[in-house]
Amino acid sequence: LAKTTQPISMDSYEGQEVNITCSHNNIATNDYITWYQQFPSQGPRFIIQGYKTKVTNEVASLFIPADRKSSTLSLPRVSLSDTAVYYCLVGDVSNDYKLSFGAGTTVTVRA
Amino acid sequence: EPEVTQTPSHQVTQMGQEVILRCVPISNHLYFYWYRQILGQKVEFLVSFYNNEISEKSEIFDDQFSVERPDGSNFTLKIRSTKLEDSAMYFCASTEGGNTIYFGEGSWLTVV
Repeated sequence: LAKTTQPISMDSYEGQEVNITCSHNNIATNDYITWYQQFPSQGPRFIIQGYKTKVTNEVASLFIPADRKSSTLSLPRVSLSDTAVYYCLVGDVSNDYKLSFGAGTTVTVRA
Repeated sequence: EPEVTQTPSHQVTQMGQEVILRCVPISNHLYFYWYRQILGQKVEFLVSFYNNEISEKSEIFDDQFSVERPDGSNFTLKIRSTKLEDSAMYFCASTEGGNTIYFGEGSWLTVV
């Protein structure tokens, strides 16, 4: 599984855009990039997944450059309820896919 | 939206006792997982299960642990003789394969 590196913590204010960049230099050809969100005492929740270029859903956008060695999760106009730990995970989603979580990025949104 | 459900939400048990944590994965899913998270630490993979057998397990998943799919809907994790260090939040997860893994809300196990 490709190793990922992301900042330990980030602070933001309500209404701002938050961008979390994850490095995954050893990403393999079949690997996808997936981001999860976790609130205290709750299970991780899927946010977004992508392979290359840009993916957008109702919650976030994921930007992946051509070399795929990094990715950026963008959370538009965050609110206090977006305070959580965000995990970047990289792996082959085909056949017996399992996730290996790192420490994640603790995002704190302030009023 | 379909969800993975887990019971109990919280269990306190004495050291040495057996514990069974139960999960109902999303109905059309084929791959099932157990993860755990010790307080303040990262989420750790325990075991994956497919086609009625374990497909992969971590070093944490020793002989004290077992998993079972006793019927078409439940997926259980059994800890035969609990230790203090087994205190953690245990998450069940499932996927239909090839994409998103969905997690339950967790079962908080406290061993005293």
